Amino acid sequence: AQSVSQHNHHVILSEAASLELGCNYSYGGTVNLFWYVQYPGQHLQLLLKYFSGDPLVKGIKGFEAEFIKSKFSFNLRKPSVQWSDTAEYFCAVNSGGGADGLTFGKGTHLIIQP
Amino acid sequence: GAVVSQHPSWVICKSGTSVKIECRSLDFQATTMFWYRQFPKQSLMLMATSNEGSKATYEQGVEKDKFLINHASLTLSTLTVTSAHPEDSSFYICSARDDRGRGATEAFFGQGTRLTVV
Repeated sequence: AQSVSQHNHHVILSEAASLELGCNYSYGGTVNLFWYVQYPGQHLQLLLKYFSGDPLVKGIKGFEAEFIKSKFSFNLRKPSVQWSDTAEYFCAVNSGGGADGLTFGKGTHLIIQP
Repeated sequence: GAVVSQHPSWVICKSGTSVKIECRSLDFQATTMFWYRQFPKQSLMLMATSNEGSKATYEQGVEKDKFLINHASLTLSTLTVTSAHPEDSSFYICSARDDRGRGATEAFFGQGTRLTVV
């Protein structure tokens, strides 16, 4: 069975600070990896995804993530956060074939202080 | 981009009644749709995989008779919460995979349905 662990449940940063949110997964086979963002009162939006190829993935809104297979990790990064990045962030995984539903981490609540 | 629409966005029902939630892919066909449940301040939990023209596949611990899923067309899946009780109050979210995608592809999420059982 797959599992996803997000290390930080709550993160508070000031604007312009750099961000890194940790995500580790547990699964023995090929995986697809995702980061989603959920703004207050809104639905899930895909930030970025990794299926194969270059392990450094660039997404929307200046976010990027790096897949490190040896560490089973897919950490999310942003060099300079903005107040509008305040949201809930979810890491998710499914098996390599892509036909399965997603297994989500518990989420990280990010608060950016002006 | 691909759009998935859920209806209703929110619903309040009395304990013991049944509630139907619709999930539609608006601009693509989806043989496979997924239903998730999200409790307050918690993550999404996959409930079931909905397959057009066949029975849904439920995750362990999800009651099939409680949560009825029907995927009668390539653009519509419905989730019916039968004999709802207050503990069924939650946020239900669907997602749909675009049939045009090959291999690993992302699924697109609906906006969710807030169910409150009183």
